[in-house]
Amino acid sequence: DTGVSQDPRHKITKRGQNVTFRCDPISEHNRLYWYRQTLGQGPEFLTYFQNEAQLEKSRLLSDRFSAERPKGSFSTLEIQRTEQGDSAMYLCASSLVPSSNEQFFGPGTRLTVL
Amino acid sequence: AQSVTQLDSHVSVSEGTPVLLRCNYSSSYSPSLFWYVQHPNKGLQLLLKYTSAATLVKGINGFEAEFKKSETSFHLTKPSAHMSDAAEYFCVVSDRESDFGNEKLTFGTGTRLTIIP
Repeated sequence: DTGVSQDPRHKITKRGQNVTFRCDPISEHNRLYWYRQTLGQGPEFLTYFQNEAQLEKSRLLSDRFSAERPKGSFSTLEIQRTEQGDSAMYLCASSLVPSSNEQFFGPGTRLTVL
Repeated sequence: AQSVTQLDSHVSVSEGTPVLLRCNYSSSYSPSLFWYVQHPNKGLQLLLKYTSAATLVKGINGFEAEFKKSETSFHLTKPSAHMSDAAEYFCVVSDRESDFGNEKLTFGTGTRLTIIP
């Protein structure tokens, strides 16, 4: 499968714990995006990378959130000291610019904070 | 700032009848507009996109949408609904200042489409 993959698909954690998610984009895609989707809502933009550079962060991304894309390929999203409000689906998408503005989405990681 | 309003949170139609999902947008720049579909426990899939070419856009599975700048609308239609069309549909806008600008997507709140047998 050459689509966007995310790991893990589900994560249950206790409040206050740290969690890390991984996203593997489509090979050769230079853009990588993170979104968050809460129940009954559309996805909301969190941050994006152009190759290894993180170029924009949403104000939704508090100081407890950090994202990296160290070699311009896969990306990780870490949440420190999780809170119940962090419970959501975390989506990753990738694209190849300027060839196309179509973003391809992964299946998401569903986080539940108890 | 860009935004999208999906006018109906739920739409129910009978199988074989037309589908209309309504969307209005607001954009500061020349927008790209998309419709994505999300089936239960599956990832978001692109149905179609408008990027300043033809105003009537055809997508997969018989869906199409018409960009109307004067009405700031991008409604999604399908002539005949199929049971497999039952899903959540998102209207999406992207502003792009340049070819290298941020193309973050702004999603609507979604419309849940139910197909009645």
